[in-house]
Amino acid sequence: QKEVEQDPGPLSVPEGAIVSLNCTYSNSAFQYFMWYRQYSRKGPELLMYTYSSGNKEDGRFTAQVDKSSKYISLFIRDSQPSDSATYLCAMRSDSGYALNFGKGTSLLVTP
Amino acid sequence: DARVTQTPRHKVTEMGQEVTMRCQPILGHNTVFWYRQTMMQGLELLAYFRNRAPLDDSGMPKDRFSAEMPDATLATLKIQPSEPRDSAVYFCASVQAWDSYNYGYTFGSGTRLTVV
Repeated sequence: QKEVEQDPGPLSVPEGAIVSLNCTYSNSAFQYFMWYRQYSRKGPELLMYTYSSGNKEDGRFTAQVDKSSKYISLFIRDSQPSDSATYLCAMRSDSGYALNFGKGTSLLVTP
Repeated sequence: DARVTQTPRHKVTEMGQEVTMRCQPILGHNTVFWYRQTMMQGLELLAYFRNRAPLDDSGMPKDRFSAEMPDATLATLKIQPSEPRDSAVYFCASVQAWDSYNYGYTFGSGTRLTVV
């Protein structure tokens, strides 16, 4: 079993919907949590970065971390067709720099 | 925008041939990663370097893969001999390690390798 689990989808929503993307993890040492967005045939690009538990908001994006449940979420408000991509969660511990990734959730926002 | 540059973007090769992929990290970044992405496994860490020294290469098949950083502006990943199961997209990423909280990790556009 991988340390980071993520539902691959695909997830299809209409434009303007609120999107919820989630990951669970098993390693309680993880302290840094990230969300990456990956368009087709491109490299992952960093969207959100949080440390330990709590919420972080950036425009239409909100990242939540619940360390007690080992569960992280990314919410996208007012979703746009340009948000259609694969969203990858990633995390690491204090003791190393390598990221552990989920397999990614494919999101399609339809006009 | 500062970016991680990977070459070649695409590579098709025959089984048994040597493949070399190159990465130019962002200037000033001192930690460089090699990841492999497949549909089945997602993104898997192969190796990473800090200040050009290898820190972890446990994700690499040692008998055929090798990774080096001959200088601060170049990281290489070599496969010899290549096999069809090596077909994947190989990503390089870099970060300025002591700033990783604020700046995250920057990925290149990847090398799409097909071994026939």
